[in-house]
Amino acid sequence: QPVLTQSSSASASLGSSVKLTCTLSSGHSSYIIAWHQQQPGKAPRYLMKLEGSGSYNKGSGVPDRFSGSSSGADRYLTISNLQSEDEADYYCETWDSNNWVFGGGTKLTVL
Amino acid sequence: QVQLVESGGGLVKPGGSLRLSCAASGFTFSDYYMSWIRQAPGKGLEWVSYISSSSSYTNYADSVKGRFTISRDNAKNSLYLQMNSLRAEDTAVYYCARVSPEVDYWGQGTLVTVSS
Repeated sequence: QPVLTQSSSASASLGSSVKLTCTLSSGHSSYIIAWHQQQPGKAPRYLMKLEGSGSYNKGSGVPDRFSGSSSGADRYLTISNLQSEDEADYYCETWDSNNWVFGGGTKLTVL
Repeated sequence: QVQLVESGGGLVKPGGSLRLSCAASGFTFSDYYMSWIRQAPGKGLEWVSYISSSSSYTNYADSVKGRFTISRDNAKNSLYLQMNSLRAEDTAVYYCARVSPEVDYWGQGTLVTVSS
């Protein structure tokens, strides 16, 4: 079963860009993942599905400022032109053999 | 638009039971796998269970296996989670989610508190 590793926290300034990382465990580097955003006090929201090739498909209404990319076992979420509402927890997710797994989440602070 | 609305949460004593429901709308419910995912207070997301579109297949996290049962009624566009032998560590917000195969829609969640 795959394991997803995320940094616990990240920070960046208003209007800048930030790149969050989700790393797949050994033997699972080709897996597709999904990114989710959870703003304080709210339910999670689906952002995108991201393949190992770097190809991604965003959910309905997700701003153009959000993009995805991949390198080996690493899956990235890049947020450009950071806004105050981007301050949130970000989770990656993957699945295998009818089991679903979430990373521990990254808490993003917008300075 | 896709809507998932959970209900049935509340306060229950350790060892007790609770049944969660999720009403789905805005999509063809019978075409999709569905899942329950939970989040303990101040913690991350934990997948709990999934059910295939026709109820042929289910699976559970080890932490709930043997105690929780997922089911669905496609005629009523509804998903359920029967939770038995509840423990303090089951205290969490429980989210209903559409799966395709990633989670692509979430409900707003329902809080389950297990305490004496």
